[in-house]
Amino acid sequence: GQNIDQPTEMTATEGATVQINCTYQTSGFNGLFWYQQHAGEAPTFLSYNVLDGLEEKGRFSSFLSRSKGYSYLLLKELQMKDSASYLCAVPYGGATNKLIFGTGTLLAVQP
Amino acid sequence: DGGITQSPKYLFRKEGQNVTLSCEQNLNHDAMYWYRQDPGQGLRLIYYSQIVNDFQKGDIAEGYSVSREKKESFPLTVTSAQKNPTAFYLCASSQIGRTSTVTQYFGPGTRLTVL
Repeated sequence: GQNIDQPTEMTATEGATVQINCTYQTSGFNGLFWYQQHAGEAPTFLSYNVLDGLEEKGRFSSFLSRSKGYSYLLLKELQMKDSASYLCAVPYGGATNKLIFGTGTLLAVQP
Repeated sequence: DGGITQSPKYLFRKEGQNVTLSCEQNLNHDAMYWYRQDPGQGLRLIYYSQIVNDFQKGDIAEGYSVSREKKESFPLTVTSAQKNPTAFYLCASSQIGRTSTVTQYFGPGTRLTVL
């Protein structure tokens, strides 16, 4: 079967760096997505990893280890506006466009 | 401005009534999806469509129906058979991924409350 695990909540301080972890179990790995979702709003695409390693995009970076079934999202120089839920998702069922989502990690950035 | 629109943003209905949620996209995407989001749970796939006049059930299709008469539009009907319809409903669209995974882009969502 398929499963995704993320921590439920995290708290960090403005200006700091935080790492949000995601572990997954899926048959036929075909990439991993990270989305950001502010309360009551649509998820917005952050990153997609299909190969092992770190991909950097400004203040946000995403890491993938396929052998460990593990990914993390690294947020640097935290700003108050980064307070949101961060969703990890992977394709499943052998399809390329059916996604299973984790429950999301609610990040609270404090002054 | 390309994007996905959902209307209305908030919707209230009485128990036992069917209700239709609108989703329109002008991104020229072939695939469209409906998800449901409940507190403490991940997004769950209700229905998806990869081409006009064709759609497939997702993981929680019971009590829902869809149609795909136009490429741009994928309305979702929440029927009275859906036992727990109060939720946040999200529509998404993407290109078709034949050999590689594609990114899904989401609309702003409709919050449905059944009284």
